[in-house]
Amino acid sequence: QQQVKQSPQSLIVQKGGIPIINCAYENTAFDYFPWYQQFPGKGPALLIAIRPDVSEKKEGRFTISFNKSAKQFSLHIMDSQPGDSATYFCAASRGGSEKLVFGKGTKLTVNP
Amino acid sequence: SQTIHQWPATLVQPVGSPLSLECTVEGTSNPNLYWYRQAAGRGLQLLFYSVGIGQISSEVPQNLSASRPQDRQFILSSKKLLLSDSGFYLCAWSSGANTEAFFGQGTRLTVV
Repeated sequence: QQQVKQSPQSLIVQKGGIPIINCAYENTAFDYFPWYQQFPGKGPALLIAIRPDVSEKKEGRFTISFNKSAKQFSLHIMDSQPGDSATYFCAASRGGSEKLVFGKGTKLTVNP
Repeated sequence: SQTIHQWPATLVQPVGSPLSLECTVEGTSNPNLYWYRQAAGRGLQLLFYSVGIGQISSEVPQNLSASRPQDRQFILSSKKLLLSDSGFYLCAWSSGANTEAFFGQGTRLTVV
């Protein structure tokens, strides 16, 4: 019930491509879904987050799509750049809980 | 502004030795504090979280313990390290449930 499944494990795209990372959850009580970006040797940093009252949220080149009925959410990176090369984690938590449950991460490589 | 400090950045310890990792937060009061461990291909595993001084919740049975002696100080400890304790340890804080978690820079622990 606490699991968040993330795919793919790794992803390679060319500059300008649109990588898509998918996550699925089981616990219908989850109501906060953030994405974190992590560069090697650094701590993760919040990229963008969504709550289930909206189906899509955009911040710059980053978009979260949320499908409540399918219990899935995804991250799209428009016009990807080599500087976007990092590991991306999806996460979820439920109201009243202090615990964020993380996916296993996706290592994204954007080639020049 | 709020900042989180975590040290040391890297640590090499022999099996059976004690461990103490410290994390402090500045610029906020009564934060929720977290210790995560990150292993390759396994994402971020929540080890401990604390909602107040002296209040520690353990997520997984292990060879580690946590303490919160002051409002903005969180310590991860072990009396005798195991080889399996090697990993990347991350401290994080948030202002409450379902809010952004801010991560420290992490400690790379190698037990030899």
